[in-house]
Amino acid sequence: GENVEQHPSTLSVQEGDSAVIKCTYSDSASNYFPWYKQELGKGPQLIIDIRSNVGEKKDQRIAVTLNKTAKHFSLHITETQPEDSAVYFCAASIDTGFQKLVFGTGTRLLVSP
Amino acid sequence: GAVVSQHPSWVICKSGTSVKIECRSLDFQATTMFWYRQFPKQSLMLMATSNEGSKATYEQGVEKDKFLINHASLTLSTLTVTSAHPEDSSFYICSARDPGLAGVTQYFGPGTRLTVL
Repeated sequence: GENVEQHPSTLSVQEGDSAVIKCTYSDSASNYFPWYKQELGKGPQLIIDIRSNVGEKKDQRIAVTLNKTAKHFSLHITETQPEDSAVYFCAASIDTGFQKLVFGTGTRLLVSP
Repeated sequence: GAVVSQHPSWVICKSGTSVKIECRSLDFQATTMFWYRQFPKQSLMLMATSNEGSKATYEQGVEKDKFLINHASLTLSTLTVTSAHPEDSSFYICSARDPGLAGVTQYFGPGTRLTVL
């Protein structure tokens, strides 16, 4: 089955810096890769996703890149703000039927003012 | 956007009692809902996949008689923790797929914190 590894487990940056979180997956059939942000005591919120027919997707300060050959994908947050502080989870899935999401272990991002 | 609600947001119960958690898709019809469990500082663990009108599919190691799932309508799935014990204390989160959107995008509810005394 699919296995998703995520690094780093914690990341501390200064406000305004960029943050990068990386994930690798094992199943070459996976073709859907969402990223979720989870604040303390809340459910995960979808922030961006990418499908394997594209290599990069951007939404304002957030971008995701995908390297299918190497089987890894990354989340990039530019101009970080204190409100970006949260736990971020990557996930992988096959984009058909009822395939379940396989989550990474999470990255705790702390943005200091 | 797709909105998923859960009720209650938190619940405290005594050992041996049963607790029901509701998951609703508010602005779309969800043919498939998912139930997750999350321990502190850990990732989400899928418990079961719930399809409207059929029996839920449970992940390996999840007791189907203990965690009863019902998906009786396109907007409501329920998780009942039967004969709850302290080790069942956890954060339970549901998610729903919006079939109106391409693919398997899942939208999550706000979670329910269960504490069993």
